[in-house]
Amino acid sequence: TQLLEQSPQFLSIQEGENLTVYCNSSSVFSSLQWYRQEPGEGPVLLVTVVTGGEVKKLKRLTFQFGDARKDSSLHITAAQPGDTGLYLCAGRDTGRRALTFGSGTRLQVQP
Amino acid sequence: DARVTQTPRHKVTEMGQEVTMRCQPILGHNTVFWYRQTMMQGLELLAYFRNRAPLDDSGMPKDRFSAEMPDATLATLKIQPSEPRDSAVYFCASGTTGYETDTQYFGPGTRLTVL
Repeated sequence: TQLLEQSPQFLSIQEGENLTVYCNSSSVFSSLQWYRQEPGEGPVLLVTVVTGGEVKKLKRLTFQFGDARKDSSLHITAAQPGDTGLYLCAGRDTGRRALTFGSGTRLQVQP
Repeated sequence: DARVTQTPRHKVTEMGQEVTMRCQPILGHNTVFWYRQTMMQGLELLAYFRNRAPLDDSGMPKDRFSAEMPDATLATLKIQPSEPRDSAVYFCASGTTGYETDTQYFGPGTRLTVL
């Protein structure tokens, strides 16, 4: 089983601050996705990255896939209380349709 | 706005009882996934189906868990007998096959408590 480690596990910051969440593995993934989950709901897909070194932006969120496709990062600029939630990375290895989820980063943005 | 639905949303039962969780995937989706989420283990894949056929159930305890798709609009996950360690939130997700950019759409989950 391929493991995805996320750091930090918990993050509490003030509105307006910047933050970065990391997702690391010793294994290579053919693609990687980031999800956000709010209390009482299922995860919702934010982005999919496929190419090593790929960078995608979604408003104030910037996602990067590592050159070797073993790691990824999520950077949030000027965090807002609406960004509060559990952020999950999920990798897909070649040939297997199912995803392996990371351990999650719980983000709290204080107004 | 198409969504995955799951029933029940909450279930409290006693150890040894049978538990059945149901999922209605989004119409037209041909893959269905069952996940379990706990604080300790995070989100773990239990089983998944493509075109109603089970493709991978390696994450599921075979002696007590079973997953089926009686038809394209219904997926079920059964636990018999249930144990306290089964307490978790169980998610169903559906999607379409094909490519690396497949999106899985998650339902709201069933929160199971086994006493």
